[in-house]
Amino acid sequence: DIQMTQSPSSLSASVGDRVTITCRASQSISFFLNWYQQKPGKAPKLLIYAASSLQSGVPSRFNGSGSGTDFTLTISGLQPEDFTTYYCQQSYSTSYTFGQGTKLEIK
Amino acid sequence: QVQLVQSGAEVKKPGASVKVSCKASGYTFTGYYMHWVRQAPGQGLEWMGWINPNNGGTNYAQQFQGRVTMTKDTSINTAYMELRRLRSDDTAVYYCVRESGYCGGGSCFNWFDPWGQGTLVTVSS
Repeated sequence: DIQMTQSPSSLSASVGDRVTITCRASQSISFFLNWYQQKPGKAPKLLIYAASSLQSGVPSRFNGSGSGTDFTLTISGLQPEDFTTYYCQQSYSTSYTFGQGTKLEIK
Repeated sequence: QVQLVQSGAEVKKPGASVKVSCKASGYTFTGYYMHWVRQAPGQGLEWMGWINPNNGGTNYAQQFQGRVTMTKDTSINTAYMELRRLRSDDTAVYYCVRESGYCGGGSCFNWFDPWGQGTLVTVSS
């Protein structure tokens, strides 16, 4: 199975900051990478698909990039509602594995 | 709008089975694969498998093979996930989620959207 590793596991930042979360695949997955945001007690929400395509309705401060094995999610101008948990997911293989998550906390 | 509504919370004893339902609305039920993902308390997301509502075809994650069955009832646009021989570490929120995607440039990209609201299954003696 393809393993997905996110870093860091947690991150502290302030409102208005720019942060980057990294996701690394154990083998090349081309552009088959999605990002989700999950707030406490809620279902995950799709942010980015196919590595860099912004889901409709998602603010443009969210940006995804990367290909192959290394991917990033960048959030520019952090808003209070952005402090939550983020997951990457590979859709290259039908095991659809997720990263372990990155918790973004207010500094 | 596209919506997935799941059945309510369950409490089960070890060794029992649970069956969670997921009612779809706002789109053609048979046109999209339905996946199931679970999340143990304080943990990450774990993919369990999918069902093709058009023909009932399934694909299960290896760790659930032999314990999980995904079915559908197209007359009521509902997908089901049954997990048997429950253990305490099966305590989790179980989500159904529709697979969406597009094909372009020689590749087909898939993602999970939307998600059901989740069903908490608690396994305790």
